[in-house]
Amino acid sequence: GAVVSQHPSWVICKSGTSVKIECRSLDFQATTMFWYRQFPKQSLMLMATSNEGSKATYEQGVEKDKFLINHASLTLSTLTVTSAHPEDSSFYICSARGQGTDGTEAFFGQGTRLTVV
Amino acid sequence: DQQVKQNSPSLSVQEGRISILNCDYTNSMFDYFLWYKKYPAEGPTFLISISSIKDKNEDGRFTVFLNKSAKHLSLHIVPSQPGDSAVYFCAASPMNSGYSTLTFGKGTMLLVSP
Repeated sequence: GAVVSQHPSWVICKSGTSVKIECRSLDFQATTMFWYRQFPKQSLMLMATSNEGSKATYEQGVEKDKFLINHASLTLSTLTVTSAHPEDSSFYICSARGQGTDGTEAFFGQGTRLTVV
Repeated sequence: DQQVKQNSPSLSVQEGRISILNCDYTNSMFDYFLWYKKYPAEGPTFLISISSIKDKNEDGRFTVFLNKSAKHLSLHIVPSQPGDSAVYFCAASPMNSGYSTLTFGKGTMLLVSP
């Protein structure tokens, strides 16, 4: 299947700082990227959907000013957690679909474990 | 309100036997269903999918069954292997989203013992 690379795989940051997570499609052009969050023993929850070159669409309850999403190119989307707090500690996963993939499948990155201390 | 439900948080099976993972959904707009496998600290890996025009799809040891009237699907793994031990997520998508959005269940942790 198509490869989606997410970086970093884990990060620890101080409360009040910002953290950027990158999601790259390595062998296809991702017209759409999705960002998910997973709390322990919970399902993957969709945070936002981004299409290349346009603003992200956020799910209800997700603060767009706190979780900044940029999808500037067909192979890269970034999620920036601004002014992180301990309650933002979670597992963040991106997925991508687009040209060169079966349009009905979403390919996932490895995920990023964020710990805010 | 959970639209995709995996009511069994865990399942233990012996190696060589059949593993059956269940998933129920409530949204009648869902017409494409996927199963993902996830190891700790990794992203989900796509396993198998089925569209609502079918009631069965098979790929090697993995078979997914769909019962539209009951809004129920299941993943069968035969024979189960220790390497299958992971969390399995059921996901659903409505056609009117262009299959672009996935709603996930909470997952079922499968443990296959030697």
